[in-house]
Amino acid sequence: DSGVTQTPKHLITATGQRVTLRCSPRSGDLSVYWYQQSLDQGLQFLIQYYNGEERAKGNILERFSAQQFPDLHSELNLSSLELGDSALYFCASSPAPGTTNKNIQYFGAGTRLSVL
Amino acid sequence: EDQVTQSPEALRLQEGESSSLNCSYTVSGLRGLFWYRQDPGKGPEFLFTLYSAGEEKEKERLKATLTKKESFLHITAPKPEDSATYLCAVQAYSGGYQKVTFGIGTKLQVIP
Repeated sequence: DSGVTQTPKHLITATGQRVTLRCSPRSGDLSVYWYQQSLDQGLQFLIQYYNGEERAKGNILERFSAQQFPDLHSELNLSSLELGDSALYFCASSPAPGTTNKNIQYFGAGTRLSVL
Repeated sequence: EDQVTQSPEALRLQEGESSSLNCSYTVSGLRGLFWYRQDPGKGPEFLFTLYSAGEEKEKERLKATLTKKESFLHITAPKPEDSATYLCAVQAYSGGYQKVTFGIGTKLQVIP
């Protein structure tokens, strides 16, 4: 168990809908990362938050947004869903700078999104 | 743009048959190279971090090495439970932040 919790585990929805994925990082970790993993592609970095602020953006669509709350949990919002958004969405967290293993990302079990 | 290429895409080994997985990378200002293991339907699990050329790390039947252009994950006498997808990732400093780029992975199957 990595200590990173993602809910829900599975999500089935229809095209055009909006969903929210939730992530609780490991205790003490300040950084949260979101990734998308499709069958034919590797892990695609979407966005990173550090202590409530956006730190880095990857290949995140405009229909997607995220935030990190004061208690450090994060939510990824996906709207106007399309069939191609079906994928595994992973959240990862990493320790604060200056701590041991600060560069290691610990991954949650993922949320499997199916858009029908 | 940072690039990570892993080969082979898939590898099938007999139990006990040692082999190596390759991860070649193109990045400006490497801050670290990571190996992860991913089982089907699960999140990646951290294995190793390597920071400089010549560095080696070992864990049970796995040994990771790093040169200036590539990393190898050597698997000695693998067992069926080593079957998984092995992911390589590089961390580099780009545009004011540290960015991590993952390869597509090598899917390893170890046959009893």
